[in-house]
Amino acid sequence: QIQLVQSGAEVKKPGSSVKVYCKASGGAFRSYAISWVRQAPGQGLEWMGGIIPVFGSATYAQRFQGRVTITTDASTSTAYMDLSGLRSEDTAFYYCARAKHGLLIDTTYYEFWGQGTLVTVSS
Amino acid sequence: DIQMTQSPSSLSASVGDRVTITCRASQGLAGYLSWYQHKPGRAPKLLIYAASSLHSGVPSRFSGSGSGTDFTLTIINLQPEDSATYYCQQTYSTPLTFGGGTKVEIK
Repeated sequence: QIQLVQSGAEVKKPGSSVKVYCKASGGAFRSYAISWVRQAPGQGLEWMGGIIPVFGSATYAQRFQGRVTITTDASTSTAYMDLSGLRSEDTAFYYCARAKHGLLIDTTYYEFWGQGTLVTVSS
Repeated sequence: DIQMTQSPSSLSASVGDRVTITCRASQGLAGYLSWYQHKPGRAPKLLIYAASSLHSGVPSRFSGSGSGTDFTLTIINLQPEDSATYYCQQTYSTPLTFGGGTKVEIK
């Protein structure tokens, strides 16, 4: 069974950066896209971007372009989401999710999810 | 970007009721539409994929239908544990986008 385990909660200052990890186990890693989704308090789910590890380059939602970097380390089956220039509006739960089908970020669906990481941005 | 419009934003229903949530996309999705159940502090749970396929382990009281731009999630015989927020998501093209969510409350 595929499991995604995320790093623990973080408290960050405005203007700083946060790096959240998502470690996969129980299945192949390189060929399956990892997407990052967040939910701010009182808001809905929002897709931030995704990456297919074997290809290496990530696709980002326009509103996060330039502030978010998604990477992977295939040697440890871990995906990372780095968000810079943090502001209070970035306070949210951040989730990673793995695509069902290989080599696709879209035209698939996301069956496996991490438990979520709460990032709090506060001075 | 594909816009997803979900309605209603909230509803209140009784145990045993039938509940319908709709999702409309700004363009055709070729069936690449998923439904998730989300409870506070938990990971979203996949209920339906490819518009109408029930994900493994999901109770059969959940069903999905629709095609093109219009989709529906139906819950029959509503149970107390169904209290949650439900989201549709299109995976036809990036950026992947979600509907605004429907909060289901049990009376």
